Amino acid sequence: SQTIHQWPATLVQPVGSPLSLECTVEGTSNPNLYWYRQAAGRGLQLLFYSVGIGQISSEVPQNLSASRPQDRQFILSSKKLLLSDSGFYLCAWRRISGSPLHFGNGTRLTVT
Amino acid sequence: SQELEQSPQSLIVQEGKNLTINCTSSKTLYGLYWYKQKYGEGLIFLMMLQKGGEEKSHEKITAKLDEKKQQSSLHITASQPSHAGIYLCGADTQGGSEKLVFGKGMKLTVNP
Repeated sequence: SQTIHQWPATLVQPVGSPLSLECTVEGTSNPNLYWYRQAAGRGLQLLFYSVGIGQISSEVPQNLSASRPQDRQFILSSKKLLLSDSGFYLCAWRRISGSPLHFGNGTRLTVT
Repeated sequence: SQELEQSPQSLIVQEGKNLTINCTSSKTLYGLYWYKQKYGEGLIFLMMLQKGGEEKSHEKITAKLDEKKQQSSLHITASQPSHAGIYLCGADTQGGSEKLVFGKGMKLTVNP
């Protein structure tokens, strides 16, 4: 069976510090991978998605970047965090377009 | 860009009552997904609808997609405290698209 791992679960970082959130999927190959951010009152916002190694599509201009160095690894990064980067970050995967997304447990990021 | 509007934004019901949540799209829905989220956790997939007029049920939850494929409803029969959480609808932005966008969610409280 397939599983998705996302870490850390919570993170408190000062403004201006770097960020690296990691997500890995097990039990499948060549998944579509996604990063979403959930902020109060704003719903679930699609940040990045990837259909293959090194292929990243960015949805919203922002202070974040994503990379996919391996088939089942998706990384969300920032060089300098802003207060507005606080939120709940969710990684997800799916086999192909038109199939359901499966989510990780999320990372609660607080930028102070 | 496609937008999903969910109504109501929140709902408080007494245990045992029936309720309906709506999800309306600004464009044709190619794939409609319903998810449930407990606060601070990842999203759990409930059901997927693709065809106009399609209806699916799981335990006491029934989801429907209208014939015109621009609105979906989620109906819970005889609600229980275990049904409490945030319900989100998500949709593929077009047929074959890798992008999946979400509504802002509906917070359900079930009082025993």
